Amino acid sequence: KNQVEQSPQSLIILEGKNCTLQCNYTVSPFSNLRWYKQDTGRGPVSLTIMTFSENTKSNGRYTATLDADTKQSSLHITASQLSDSASYICVVSANNNNDMRFGAGTRLTVKP
Amino acid sequence: DGGITQSPKYLFRKEGQNVTLSCEQNLNHDAMYWYRQDPGQGLRLIYYSQIVNDFQKGDIAEGYSVSREKKESFPLTVTSAQKNPTAFYLCASTPGVGGYEQYFGPGTRLTVT
Repeated sequence: KNQVEQSPQSLIILEGKNCTLQCNYTVSPFSNLRWYKQDTGRGPVSLTIMTFSENTKSNGRYTATLDADTKQSSLHITASQLSDSASYICVVSANNNNDMRFGAGTRLTVKP
Repeated sequence: DGGITQSPKYLFRKEGQNVTLSCEQNLNHDAMYWYRQDPGQGLRLIYYSQIVNDFQKGDIAEGYSVSREKKESFPLTVTSAQKNPTAFYLCASTPGVGGYEQYFGPGTRLTVT
């Protein structure tokens, strides 16, 4: 069983709408959690990083939340744009950071 | 793609042939990684190297080999022993170990028929 579960597997929204992607993890001991954006056929690019003490972090229209007690994170995208169409990957690291666990990603499609 | 290059972008090979994927970085990073990405699955670690002339097996190292003769380069060889080599391969690097963001290359799509 993967230690990082993402939902939904895929999502289609209309341009301008908001959406929220979920990430639940069981990785322990927790070090940090990152959200990456991966365009089709490209490498992932980091959006945010959250450590144990952080609850919310924003990067433009992207806002990530972390609840370390329930081991859940979310990525909220506001006012979606066509260029937001991509896979969003949640990555949770254990203390040594060489033990990184990747979620399978959520495939987001933004339609005009 | 943050100073990491992978070549080629697409690679086709016949079953039974070894093939080497290139990964080069100009970020002066000490650590480098190879991942495999399959549809519906998270990235899986094949090998990683924390320093020149040293590397460690990841979760799915069987059928793969690597070398780290130079800081900038971390080539991955997919051998004929790899049962299901068709996949998207991603190389990444970090300045060191311990909490750094990973910088990924653009990936190589390998198809073996």
